[in-house]
Amino acid sequence: DGGITQSPKYLFRKEGQNVTLSCEQNLNHDAMYWYRQDPGQGLRLIYYSQIVNDFQKGDIAEGYSVSREKKESFPLTVTSAQKNPTAFYLCASSIGGQLEEKLFFGSGTQLSVL
Amino acid sequence: GNSVTQMEGPVTLSEEAFLTINCTYTATGYPSLFWYVQYPGEGLQLLLKATKADDKGSNKGFEATYRKETTSFHLEKGSVQVSDSAVYFCALQRSYGKLTFGQGTILTVHP
Repeated sequence: DGGITQSPKYLFRKEGQNVTLSCEQNLNHDAMYWYRQDPGQGLRLIYYSQIVNDFQKGDIAEGYSVSREKKESFPLTVTSAQKNPTAFYLCASSIGGQLEEKLFFGSGTQLSVL
Repeated sequence: GNSVTQMEGPVTLSEEAFLTINCTYTATGYPSLFWYVQYPGEGLQLLLKATKADDKGSNKGFEATYRKETTSFHLEKGSVQVSDSAVYFCALQRSYGKLTFGQGTILTVHP
């Protein structure tokens, strides 16, 4: 089945530690996205990539980094500079380059601080 | 700037009741509008969309009409089921694939 796989489902971070969230898709989509979801708030865009080897900051990129070395993979690193990392992180993908295009979401990673 | 405002939740209904979840937006131009649904422990799924004024999106008994004059995109369903219990997000498209989401509305349907 085609889809988006996020891992791990739950992740714990210690103070001063960097952690990396995995996102893999087998939909052959060009575009990929990372959103952050906090309770009672909508999703906020962290980073997005419209093509391999290229990515742009979203609305809340500070304290995060990404890479897009392969079409199917878009890992997100939460660095120690992110002072409030506890949230639910959602990865998404889309065909890319089309208006009104549908986003496909993974099942998310819950990150908590120890 | 672009923004989306949804009605405050949570919303609790009995099975077969009528559902309305209000959504209003602020945007430049005429963005495409979406409703996404998130079931417990899962990511979001596209429920329906509308791309221009007066368009009606529909899926699984849910409907929403793009109202330019009131800048609204309210979600409705005539008879909800327990399986409709989820979080519903209204969103507008800013550019290719980039969405602005509302805060989400939790819906709980009791038998």
